Amino acid sequence: RKEVEQDPGPFNVPEGATVAFNCTYSNSASQSFFWYRQDCRKEPKLLMSVYSSGNEDGRFTAQLNRASQYISLLIRDSKLSDSATYLCVVNTKGSGYALNFGKGTSLLVTP
Amino acid sequence: GAVVSQHPSWVICKSGTSVKIECRSLDFQATTMFWYRQFPKQSLMLMATSNEGSKATYEQGVEKDKFLINHASLTLSTLTVTSAHPEDSSFYICSAIPLGRGTEAFFGQGTRLTVV
Repeated sequence: RKEVEQDPGPFNVPEGATVAFNCTYSNSASQSFFWYRQDCRKEPKLLMSVYSSGNEDGRFTAQLNRASQYISLLIRDSKLSDSATYLCVVNTKGSGYALNFGKGTSLLVTP
Repeated sequence: GAVVSQHPSWVICKSGTSVKIECRSLDFQATTMFWYRQFPKQSLMLMATSNEGSKATYEQGVEKDKFLINHASLTLSTLTVTSAHPEDSSFYICSAIPLGRGTEAFFGQGTRLTVV
């Protein structure tokens, strides 16, 4: 079983829509959680960290449920520029901060 | 922010040759850098953890004699793909975490390797 699993996607949504991505992780010793964004043929860039209390950054809201080992990302009022692949990323204790990446969920926002 | 520079951004080489990829942290120091590989439509997979001044730690299934890692200073790690084969064609990317600045990882721009 893969350590980090995400919705397979792709998600095609109209501009202005709200879209949610889900992610589960298998290692209960996981410590840190992130959402990264990766544009085609580019390096991943940190979108936001995910905290147990949930956190929001503008149109983006991230939630973490440690009991269920579940992470989510909600994007409100989607923009064309949000089109990218969203990667659920987990750091596990003892790995020396090496990150485990989900396969990514592709989002296409259309006019 | 913190900048990681990776070079080259793309390379095409013949089977059997070796390719060196450089990963430099431009405005910070890092005792540890990470090398990942991403095949088309796949997730980034950790290949190895590069430790300054000591041997790299390789993930299971990654041949250390094929993927040579050198981390000679706090700002530079290199990955050499030796005797490259077409199946080594992939997107290679490094990341680093600045010393004493939390746990956010910064990524290089990646290197797209094509072996023909």
